[in-house]
Amino acid sequence: KNEVEQSPQNLTAQEGEFITINCSYSVGISALHWLQQHPGGGIVSLFMLSSGKKKHGRLIATINIQEKHSSLHITASHPRDSAVYICAVRLIQGAQKLVFGQGTRLTINP
Amino acid sequence: NAGVTQTPKFRILKIGQSMTLQCTQDMNHNYMYWYRQDPGMGLKLIYYSVGAGITDKGEVPNGYNVSRSTTEDFPLRLELAAPSQTSVYFCASSANLYSNQPQHFGDGTRLSIL
Repeated sequence: KNEVEQSPQNLTAQEGEFITINCSYSVGISALHWLQQHPGGGIVSLFMLSSGKKKHGRLIATINIQEKHSSLHITASHPRDSAVYICAVRLIQGAQKLVFGQGTRLTINP
Repeated sequence: NAGVTQTPKFRILKIGQSMTLQCTQDMNHNYMYWYRQDPGMGLKLIYYSVGAGITDKGEVPNGYNVSRSTTEDFPLRLELAAPSQTSVYFCASSANLYSNQPQHFGDGTRLSIL
């Protein structure tokens, strides 16, 4: 079993819908990252959080440390949000590396 | 704002050939990382470095070597290319482990071994 599991693996929605991507992990962590990878391949960091909630524009990330779960929400989704969203955790043990989920491929249709 | 720069962007190698993937960053980051990304899989750490002259193995180091002679550069060497090394390779850097700073990624190198 992977230490970091994302769901769903693929998600297709219509423009304007509210999107939720989930990330569950089974290890002790010091921080969790949400990353975005566009079809061109580049990877961009969206959020790094260790507790609570962060918001940037239409994106919201939450984390529940007790339940070992994080969610990434996109409000008023747009076709330009189409990308692979990746969850990664920084372990308490071996904190110099990140452990990555397999990614969620999001497609927003106009 | 160059950030993390990887070269080349694409490369095709024959089995047994060698090559070096270049990575340089201009943010004066101490920590640098090499990952590979295979279809449908999460990124896997190949090697990382916590500063010039210091490197360590990640999850999948076999078949690769690295060096870190300067803060800016962290090249990844494939000595005897094998088809299993066909992948997309990402270099990343970060300031340090415990600051509230994310990792910065290069644009990737798509490598095919035929």
